Amino acid sequence: DAKTTQPPSMDCAEGRAANLPCNHSTISGNEYVYWYRQIHSQGPQYIIHGLKNNETNEMASLIITEDRKSSTLILPHATLRDTAVYYCIVGHPIRNRDDKIIFGKGTRLHILP
Amino acid sequence: DTGVSQNPRHKITKRGQNVTFRCDPISEHNRLYWYRQTLGQGPEFLTYFQNEAQLEKSRLLSDRFSAERPKGSFSTLEIQRTEQGDSAMYLCASSLTAGGYETQYFGPGTRLLVL
Repeated sequence: DAKTTQPPSMDCAEGRAANLPCNHSTISGNEYVYWYRQIHSQGPQYIIHGLKNNETNEMASLIITEDRKSSTLILPHATLRDTAVYYCIVGHPIRNRDDKIIFGKGTRLHILP
Repeated sequence: DTGVSQNPRHKITKRGQNVTFRCDPISEHNRLYWYRQTLGQGPEFLTYFQNEAQLEKSRLLSDRFSAERPKGSFSTLEIQRTEQGDSAMYLCASSLTAGGYETQYFGPGTRLLVL
């Protein structure tokens, strides 16, 4: 089973910030939080990852709570092209044989015009 | 384009036939992964290679499935005696385990339909 829990779907108005939550209450101390997204009929695309500090890149921001049991991916100004399934995954920075990368069902984000 | 490429993009076959898919990873990436994805589900891990060595295979990978990465570059995934339940998207990803963390980069996938 996936180590994360995400809402199955969300809507966001174009131009507004999209905030996608993820619960990972069983995360261990050295596991990272990764976010990927998958646009229809394409392979998943890496977005961002973090350990305990908030992170920002050209695509998104990642806010991780102090207890690390949940996080939020923020798309600051959502566009129609951001419509996709967003996956939150926890895992070690370098995957070893015992570490399973498990994708859940993700959150289907609809950006509304 | 220097991303991960997969061929073919689509494959339709009859039950019982063998199929082979190819994945070309990003140059110099030492790890290569295969995943399977069915409709409405996230990708499921099948197997991965570190250079040319196949280090792990999921229980999803039955004995009809075989993967190779002969020279540590491209990889092939073969399915023998295909079944209708094999219909899915097959995704390949590559990564470089350097700098203390690993990020996987996915290809566009091969969509298989078994009739």
